[in-house]
Amino acid sequence: AQSVSQHNHHVILSEAASLELGCNYSYGGTVNLFWYVQYPGQHLQLLLKYFSGDPLVKGIKGFEAEFIKSKFSFNLRKPSVQWSDTAEYFCAVNAGSSASKIIFGSGTRLSIRP
Amino acid sequence: DAGITQSPRHKVTETGTPVTLRCHQTENHRYMYWYRQDPGHGLRLIHYSYGVKDTDKGEVSDGYSVSRSKTEDFLLTLESATSSQTSVYFCAISEGDRTDFYGYTFGSGTRLTVV
Repeated sequence: AQSVSQHNHHVILSEAASLELGCNYSYGGTVNLFWYVQYPGQHLQLLLKYFSGDPLVKGIKGFEAEFIKSKFSFNLRKPSVQWSDTAEYFCAVNAGSSASKIIFGSGTRLSIRP
Repeated sequence: DAGITQSPRHKVTETGTPVTLRCHQTENHRYMYWYRQDPGHGLRLIHYSYGVKDTDKGEVSDGYSVSRSKTEDFLLTLESATSSQTSVYFCAISEGDRTDFYGYTFGSGTRLTVV
């Protein structure tokens, strides 16, 4: 069965610090990968997605993620975080024959100190 | 935001009572999903639908049933609510199959409390 692991449950950073959130998935075949963000009190919004091609994907608000197939990873990065990035971040995977069915990780809560 | 609404937004109900949550979309998307969100568990798929009257179970389907009699509506029913079903429930929609899959659009959620 597919699974997604986010090892950082809560990350606390100061403004302007660099961010990297880890995501690993378990599936040996072709995958689509996503990062979603949930701001406090809101629903999930798509941050970026990888389907194929360039493994370095750029999303909204200065975020990017790199797909490393050999490591089954899709880590999220941002060079300089802002207080407004405070949110919960979810990595997700859609794989194999599970057409249109996404499996989510447990999420990483990001807190930014002003 | 895409045309997806959930109702009610908040509900408190008693243990043992049936509860129905509604998801309504105006996008004519084929796929609809129900997830629950709990601290430490992320989002877990309850049921999903790939067309009118076509539904399938997700990873946490016990105690839940769904119905989709029209493209635009996907109903989630808790047959006999329990305290373990206290959660935030999100509906999501997507456009298509693997060849044109762009991820989900989520509704605003329903916060359900079972007392």
